Amino acid sequence: DTGVSQDPRHKITKRGQNVTFRCDPISEHNRLYWYRQTLGQGPEFLTYFQNEAQLEKSRLLSDRFSAERPKGSFSTLEIQRTEQGDSAMYLCASSPPGYEQYFGPGTRLTVT
Amino acid sequence: QKEVEQNSGPLSVPEGAIASLNCTYSDRGSQSFFWYRQYSGKSPELIMSIYSNGDKEDGRFTAQLNKASQYVSLLIRDSQPSDSATYLCAASYNQGGKLIFGQGTELSVKP
Repeated sequence: DTGVSQDPRHKITKRGQNVTFRCDPISEHNRLYWYRQTLGQGPEFLTYFQNEAQLEKSRLLSDRFSAERPKGSFSTLEIQRTEQGDSAMYLCASSPPGYEQYFGPGTRLTVT
Repeated sequence: QKEVEQNSGPLSVPEGAIASLNCTYSDRGSQSFFWYRQYSGKSPELIMSIYSNGDKEDGRFTAQLNKASQYVSLLIRDSQPSDSATYLCAASYNQGGKLIFGQGTELSVKP
């Protein structure tokens, strides 16, 4: 399977803990995106990379969130000091040099 | 604030009918438009992209774009129960940039 993969698929954590998610894009795609989706809403943009460069980060994104793509391949999204409001589906997408973005299966985060 | 608006539904159609899903966007600079299908508990799946005014057909799906009216639509012909899902409209205002999503329209196709 050559689609976008995400790990873990589910994460339950206690408030105040740090969590890290991983995304592996489709191999020939140089752009990688992170989105967050809550129930009944469309995905909300968080940040995106072209190769290893982070090109844009949402102004709505708390400083507790950080993302990296150190070698231009996989990416990690870390949330520090999690809050209950961080509970959501975290989606990763990738695209070739063009327009169409393809999503991975997502990581469902539950903060208790 | 760039926005994409969709009627949240639910939209209910009988099997075999045409389902019509609509979307408007606020940013006239938007260049690219996409329709994603999302089954409950799953991630969005790209079904159509459209970049220029007019119609684009792919199997049972037709996307329509009217940039003057800032309006995008998706028609699903011969609707099947397996088409029951939430349909997300998204816009991008620069090449390969972030997507702005609507809240999605829930479609229910009744046998």
